[in-house]
Amino acid sequence: GQQLNQSPQSMFIQEGEDVSMNCTSSSIFNTWLWYKQDPGEGPVLLIALYKAGELTSNGRLTAQFGITRKDSFLNISASIPSDVGIYFCAGDTPYGQNFVFGPGTRLSVLP
Amino acid sequence: EPEVTQTPSHQVTQMGQEVILRCVPISNHLYFYWYRQILGQKVEFLVSFYNNEISEKSEIFDDQFSVERPDGSNFTLKIRSTKLEDSAMYFCASRAGGGKAFFGQGTRLTVV
Repeated sequence: GQQLNQSPQSMFIQEGEDVSMNCTSSSIFNTWLWYKQDPGEGPVLLIALYKAGELTSNGRLTAQFGITRKDSFLNISASIPSDVGIYFCAGDTPYGQNFVFGPGTRLSVLP
Repeated sequence: EPEVTQTPSHQVTQMGQEVILRCVPISNHLYFYWYRQILGQKVEFLVSFYNNEISEKSEIFDDQFSVERPDGSNFTLKIRSTKLEDSAMYFCASRAGGGKAFFGQGTRLTVV
């Protein structure tokens, strides 16, 4: 089946630094979604991307839908302690009606 | 802001017992999903539901699982005879059409 890969698997950064993470697949996707999950909570939608090349921002977050439709990246600028969590990408499977999730990138922000 | 709600937040059950996890999707949404997340692992797709029937299911979603939309608002996941390995967070999600899917807070199922 379709699989998503995320890199890095985990990262430790200093507060105030910018962060970049990405999501890749061997298959094409119609939609990319980025979620953040705090411990014991459900995934919270951050950004949705609908077409190749699209660049979308949500506050300090920016995400792009790759031209090939096989990748997406998420940037966080000027990180703060509450950015700590696991960031998941999810792709909308072509011809299907479900979302496939990547394994996540665990972000730790050091004061 | 409308949200997906799930009950209970935590369910403890004995192995072999049946459990029903409940979800109230966002009211004008048409597509409904159940996902599972074993502790420390990624979110895994179980089943999608549209127009009162299952539209897609994963290999995890075997005969012990079933879903139902018994009325206009609830969407339930039933696990018939729970096993220890069913212990996980179960998330319900819904969406209106193409695009954004919104998740509930999850039900933590513990099978003992």
